[in-house]
Amino acid sequence: AQSVTQLGSHVSVSEGALVLLRCNYSSSVPPYLFWYVQYPNQGLQLLLKYTTGATLVKGINGFEAEFKKSETSFHLTKPSAHMSDAAEYFCAVMNSGYSTLTFGKGTMLLVSP
Amino acid sequence: DAGVTQSPTHLIKTRGQQVTLRCSPKSGHDTVSWYQQALGQGPQFIFQYYEEEERQRGNFPDRFSGHQFPNYSSELNVNALLLGDSALYLCASSLRSLNQPQHFGDGTRLSIL
Repeated sequence: AQSVTQLGSHVSVSEGALVLLRCNYSSSVPPYLFWYVQYPNQGLQLLLKYTTGATLVKGINGFEAEFKKSETSFHLTKPSAHMSDAAEYFCAVMNSGYSTLTFGKGTMLLVSP
Repeated sequence: DAGVTQSPTHLIKTRGQQVTLRCSPKSGHDTVSWYQQALGQGPQFIFQYYEEEERQRGNFPDRFSGHQFPNYSSELNVNALLLGDSALYLCASSLRSLNQPQHFGDGTRLSIL
């Protein structure tokens, strides 16, 4: 069975600082990995995805993530945090077959002025 | 291009009652998946519908059932509601092709009194 572990339920950064949200996965097959963002009282918005090919994936809003097979990691980064980045972020692995997702427990990103 | 729409946005029920939640997929999508997101948790997969049949199911009891209509819209039904069923219920749509990303609606917030 596939699983996802997100380290840190809350991460606090200052505006302009580097954002690093950690995600480790467990999968018996080459994984397809996703990061989603959830703003208060909203659904999930796809930030970026890794399927095959380039291991550094660029997403929306300046976020990117690097797939590292040797570390079974898919950490999300952004060089400079903005106040509007404050939200909850979920890492997910796609289950074999047709598109269902297993999510981590999420990391709440807090951005202070 | 309309995204995934869910109704109602909020719902309050009492224990033992039954509830029906509705979802219209993103235009062009043929597969609908339902997830339950308890407070402070990541979404958990309930089931997936394609061609009006349940194709995959997560670890949820038979009290949770669903339906998909010829126009690809879907319903989630929950019988004999328990306090623990209080959650945000998310609908996601995708194309049936392998490993296509899921697009989420804003969810239905279900509260059980």
